Amino acid sequence: QITLKESGPTLVKPTQTLTLTCTFSGFSLSTSGVGVGWIRQPPGKALEWLALIYWNDDKRYSPSLKSRLTITKDTSKNQVVLTMTNMDPVDTATYYCAHRTVTTPAGYWGQGTLVTVSS
Amino acid sequence: EIVMTQSPATLSVSPGERATLSCRASQSVSSNLAWYQQKPGQAPRLLIYGASTRATGIPARFSGSGSGTEFTLTISSLQSEDFAVYYCQQYNNWFLTFGGGTKVEIK
Repeated sequence: QITLKESGPTLVKPTQTLTLTCTFSGFSLSTSGVGVGWIRQPPGKALEWLALIYWNDDKRYSPSLKSRLTITKDTSKNQVVLTMTNMDPVDTATYYCAHRTVTTPAGYWGQGTLVTVSS
Repeated sequence: EIVMTQSPATLSVSPGERATLSCRASQSVSSNLAWYQQKPGQAPRLLIYGASTRATGIPARFSGSGSGTEFTLTISSLQSEDFAVYYCQQYNNWFLTFGGGTKVEIK
């Protein structure tokens, strides 16, 4: 059974750096073709992909946010970490992590974590 | 960036009726198109991938069609639990983009 869970702060101040952790079970991020991605959703708005990391450590970022994002993995801990620098109130959103394979873009999702950016 | 456009933004349907949702890509995504259902306060759930393949556990009343730039999600007979927001997503290139969503509401 595949599960994912996001963790991190619920409130950050403008200009601060956000660090989110996705802890998963039921699969290995060392298996060929497997990836974990981060997606966010501002309140009442649509979904937006942020970053992806694959089993081979290939990393991909949203072009519009690339300068602010870093994604890393710790295969031994079954964790993927996303950092986003210079947070702004417009970054207020629910942040999800999701499991990706070659055939399924996001077959399993975490429950999401709401991050509010406010002073 | 491939832009995904969904229509209509809101669809009012009576229970038991058919719902047809559209998704258009700004350039060809082949069959690399997925559909998700999202209910309030919940994470999205994968319904369809590869444009027409139902994900595990998805009822047969959900069907997807299309290729290239035009795609359709059809719900053959709406059940009460189907009222939700539906998103399409392309994954033809790594930069996976979502459409803006279609809200299916009770008429």
